[in-house]
Amino acid sequence: GAVVSQHPSRVICKSGTSVKIECRSLDFQATTMFWYRQFPKQSLMLMATSNEGSKATYEQGVEKDKFLINHASLTLSTLTVTSAHPEDSSFYICSASIRGPGTGELFFGEGSRLTVL
Amino acid sequence: GIQVEQSPPDLILQEGANSTLRCNFSDSVNNLQWFHQNPWGQLINLFYIPSGTKQNGRLSATTVATERYSLLYISSSQTTDSGVYFCAARKGGGSNYKLTFGKGTLLTVNP
Repeated sequence: GAVVSQHPSRVICKSGTSVKIECRSLDFQATTMFWYRQFPKQSLMLMATSNEGSKATYEQGVEKDKFLINHASLTLSTLTVTSAHPEDSSFYICSASIRGPGTGELFFGEGSRLTVL
Repeated sequence: GIQVEQSPPDLILQEGANSTLRCNFSDSVNNLQWFHQNPWGQLINLFYIPSGTKQNGRLSATTVATERYSLLYISSSQTTDSGVYFCAARKGGGSNYKLTFGKGTLLTVNP
């Protein structure tokens, strides 16, 4: 299947700092990428839809100024958690769909575990 | 949006047993996927199955789209099958591939 890669896999930061997470589609072009958040022992909740060359679409309740998304190329989307606080600690995971009408199957990255001290 | 419900929430098996996990969804779908989340959190794609039946080794899945449910079968379970199994569905129509996840089934396979 298609490969989606995330970096970093684990990050620890101090409260008030910003953290950037990268999501790359390695063997296909992705016009659309999705960012999910998962709290311990819970399901995945969609945060935002990232569209190449245009603004991201955020789900209700997700602060767009807190979670900045940039999808500057067909293979890269970034999520920046700005002024992170302990309540932002979570597992963030991205996914991508293959460009064009083809299969609707989504592929997921390895995830990034953020811990804010 | 579409609602996705999974059952059972928890399942404990002895190695070698068979199991069936169920996923109900509230609307017509054009994408239905099953995932296994490993202990490190990565989602492993098991099946992309908006309709019909597929098999991959000891795993198989069936989606009956007209009745809005999907089943994941695990045969001859092994301890390595332990983990959380998620079903995710996307409502038919549109092109942004937004998937909604169920709450998952936590499977524990004991030796």
